[in-house]
Amino acid sequence: DAKTTQPPSMDCAEGRAANLPCNHSTISGNEYVYWYRQIHSQGPQYIIHGLKNNETNEMASLIITEDRKSSTLILPHATLRDTAVYYCIVRVEYAQGAQKLVFGQGTRLTINP
Amino acid sequence: ETGVTQSPTHLIKTRGQQVTLRCSSQSGHNTVSWYQQALGQGPQFIFQYYREEENGRGNFPPRFSGLQFPNYSSELNVNALELDDSALYLCASSRVNTEAFFGQGTRLTVV
Repeated sequence: DAKTTQPPSMDCAEGRAANLPCNHSTISGNEYVYWYRQIHSQGPQYIIHGLKNNETNEMASLIITEDRKSSTLILPHATLRDTAVYYCIVRVEYAQGAQKLVFGQGTRLTINP
Repeated sequence: ETGVTQSPTHLIKTRGQQVTLRCSSQSGHNTVSWYQQALGQGPQFIFQYYREEENGRGNFPPRFSGLQFPNYSSELNVNALELDDSALYLCASSRVNTEAFFGQGTRLTVV
């Protein structure tokens, strides 16, 4: 079962910041939050991940609340090519050294001109 | 480009047949996972291979099986195909405890 809850769809204007929320209230202390996106049923593309600190890379920023029950993915200057389904995922360790990504339904983000 | 390649990209099989899907990992990655994505759904974890051994499995029946080879490439085999097996099959490779990179997937249609 998915451990995350996301809004099914969002819109954002081109050039503006897109803020995608995610709830993961049942996350365990050693489970990471990952974000991937998927365009037109291609393979999911890795964006960013974090445990409890905020993270930033060339694609996005990840803000995780102090209680780790929710997070926000920020695309600072959205472009039309950012239109995709965005998945907030908890990486679950189910055995020593073995992890799996538990996907939910994702948020369909549409960037409008 | 993630460096993870899957073949074939599309195929059509008849119910009851068997199918083999292939995945070539990104260089330096020793872990391979397989996911099934039904239309309109998020990917679902099938199993993971590390050093040629299956080290975890999702809620899939035994007719879903796999292999990992010494060069870390992998195969997914599905026996006795059912109509509900129609889906996009995704392979992801990684090093242990690092982010996974996905291939473009194989679209399987069972008729």
